[in-house]
Amino acid sequence: QVQLQQWGAGLLKPSETLSLTCAVYGGSFSDYYWSWIRQPPGKGLEWIGEINHSGSTNYNPSLKSRVTISVDTSKKQFSLKLSSVTAADTAVFYCARGLTTVDTAMVTHHYFDNWGQGTLVTVSS
Amino acid sequence: SSELTQDPAVSVALGQTVRITCQGDSLRSYYASWYQQKPGQAPVLVIYGKNYRPSGIPDRFSVFRSGNTASLTITGAQAEDEADYYCNSRDSSGDHVFGTGTKVTVL
Repeated sequence: QVQLQQWGAGLLKPSETLSLTCAVYGGSFSDYYWSWIRQPPGKGLEWIGEINHSGSTNYNPSLKSRVTISVDTSKKQFSLKLSSVTAADTAVFYCARGLTTVDTAMVTHHYFDNWGQGTLVTVSS
Repeated sequence: SSELTQDPAVSVALGQTVRITCQGDSLRSYYASWYQQKPGQAPVLVIYGKNYRPSGIPDRFSVFRSGNTASLTITGAQAEDEADYYCNSRDSSGDHVFGTGTKVTVL
């Protein structure tokens, strides 16, 4: 049974750097990619970016200039940093396990099968 | 990056069938995955690809794909299916994109 447990500061001032960490309990760490996803209050989901166990990253172009995702395989943890936050960054942030599978017809599928509990981050002066 | 568009809200009578659609260019190349989110909870994967459901997800959830449209069908909707539903796929850049979300109300 895989569990993702996340933590980080919940209240920031404008221009500060958001920092969250997600720990993975159970299951392999190297067979997946590890994502961050956010959801502003009352709005939809937005993918922030992902990292694999070797540190290869992929970021949402709209956030790329402010986002850094890193990994610590020895601790089975990955982290998110979002710089220069504003009120528009107020959201619930989720970590999630992503995977790619190939079925018998050689069709590739991408999906998120496990999610963290979410962390509300509020940006306010 | 690409976009995935969903109807904002749909309603269904208890025990009836409802279909939720997701439209976007990325769906011509990639299968969608679908997530159910209830208030105050993290999203949960309900189905992906060609009708692959995680353990514990009932078979009243099914999907269909045609052209740039993916659809999620709930056959025999139950009260516990009332939730927000989001589609997701990769795009041509390898990025993930989520749909705008559909609120399903079970009457």
